[in-house]
Amino acid sequence: DGGITQSPKYLFRKEGQNVTLSCEQNLNHDAMYWYRQDPGQGLRLIYYSQIVNDFQKGDIAEGYSVSREKKESFPLTVTSAQKNPTAFYLCASSILAGRPIEAFFGQGTRLTVV
Amino acid sequence: AQSVTQLGSHVSVSEGALVLLRCNYSSSVPPYLFWYVQYPNQGLQLLLKYTSAATLVKGINGFEAEFKKSETSFHLTKPSAHMSDAAEYFCAVSVNDMRFGAGTRLTVKP
Repeated sequence: DGGITQSPKYLFRKEGQNVTLSCEQNLNHDAMYWYRQDPGQGLRLIYYSQIVNDFQKGDIAEGYSVSREKKESFPLTVTSAQKNPTAFYLCASSILAGRPIEAFFGQGTRLTVV
Repeated sequence: AQSVTQLGSHVSVSEGALVLLRCNYSSSVPPYLFWYVQYPNQGLQLLLKYTSAATLVKGINGFEAEFKKSETSFHLTKPSAHMSDAAEYFCAVSVNDMRFGAGTRLTVKP
């Protein structure tokens, strides 16, 4: 089955720790995205990547880092610099035909700071 | 930069009534536009998309949307609401990346 897999589904972090969220896709999509979802604020773009070894900041990149060493993988690290990391994180991928078409989403990771 | 605005964070309809969820966009180039649905604690699922072909777009589960350039709108409609339509709906626009609105939570009353 083709799709996007995010892991883990639930993640707990102690204050001051870095954590890495996994996102893998087997759709052969060029572009991948990370979004943060908070109640009433919709999806806000953290980072996106259109090609291996290249990525761009979105609207709320501070306190986050990413890498794109393989086409299939786009992990997101939530660093200790992110002051309010508790949220639902969604990874997506899309075909690029000059621009993104039909993003496919993973099931999300809910991160809670304890 | 492109953006979308969804009018109304909550919409409540009776079962069998018309569903209308509003979305207005802003884009410096002809946009691609999308509607997605999200059920609790899940990812987003594509309902329909507009990519500069027909202005009236039909999607899954009986939903459709009409692209109106003069009004910069892409409103989502369904003639008759079903209880299973209760969810959160997001409008999105793509140019270099994909940007989403704040979402509209649809409640369906029996």
